[in-house]
Amino acid sequence: ETGVTQTPRHLVMGMTNKKSLKCEQHLGHNAMYWYKQSAKKPLELMFVYNFKEQTENNSVPSRFSPECPNSSHLFLHLHTLQPEDSALYLCASSQDLGQGNSPLHFGNGTRLTVT
Amino acid sequence: EDKVVQSPLSLVVHEGDTVTLNCSYEVTNFRSLLWYKQEKKAPTFLFMLTSSGIEKKSGRLSSILDKKELFSILNITATQTGDSAVYLCAVTPYNNNDMRFGAGTRLTVKP
Repeated sequence: ETGVTQTPRHLVMGMTNKKSLKCEQHLGHNAMYWYKQSAKKPLELMFVYNFKEQTENNSVPSRFSPECPNSSHLFLHLHTLQPEDSALYLCASSQDLGQGNSPLHFGNGTRLTVT
Repeated sequence: EDKVVQSPLSLVVHEGDTVTLNCSYEVTNFRSLLWYKQEKKAPTFLFMLTSSGIEKKSGRLSSILDKKELFSILNITATQTGDSAVYLCAVTPYNNNDMRFGAGTRLTVKP
């Protein structure tokens, strides 16, 4: 148990489907993040929330829509994705924003396959 | 543009060997450098480095930062098969949420 729980573990969806990824952290952290991890590429930061307010949107296409109802929960809503969106989507949290003083705690990720 | 480069991209060794993984960076307003280990899914935190020349150590793993030459190394002595993983380096600047990750080094330790 990492303290950050992501569901589902695996997701296969068609290009016209709508699905959501869920993340919950049990660590009392203030900041939450979505990362995309594609094969042989660096982790890409997608969205950052601090005290449930979005502070960063790293030029992510609008087919990805984040939602943070409170400091413990984070969602990523998916709509009309493309095959190149297939990747491991990692949620992370940290005590403070920016990892400068507090490292990221990652969930196990959702392996997304878009067909 | 900020960037983090790790080398080698992959490495295969035998149990008992010592390995050195490299991370070089170009980041404006550097604040800290972090190392993570990713075995299956969730990367797990290893070290945070903020000052040059001060070695951080945990068991067989150690790491050091050189802020003049802009790089860090991660050493693993007496490697074991359980050390097989992807090792990620990340750099955090001040006043910026953007933590840059390298592509990782995939380490395979054979029995």
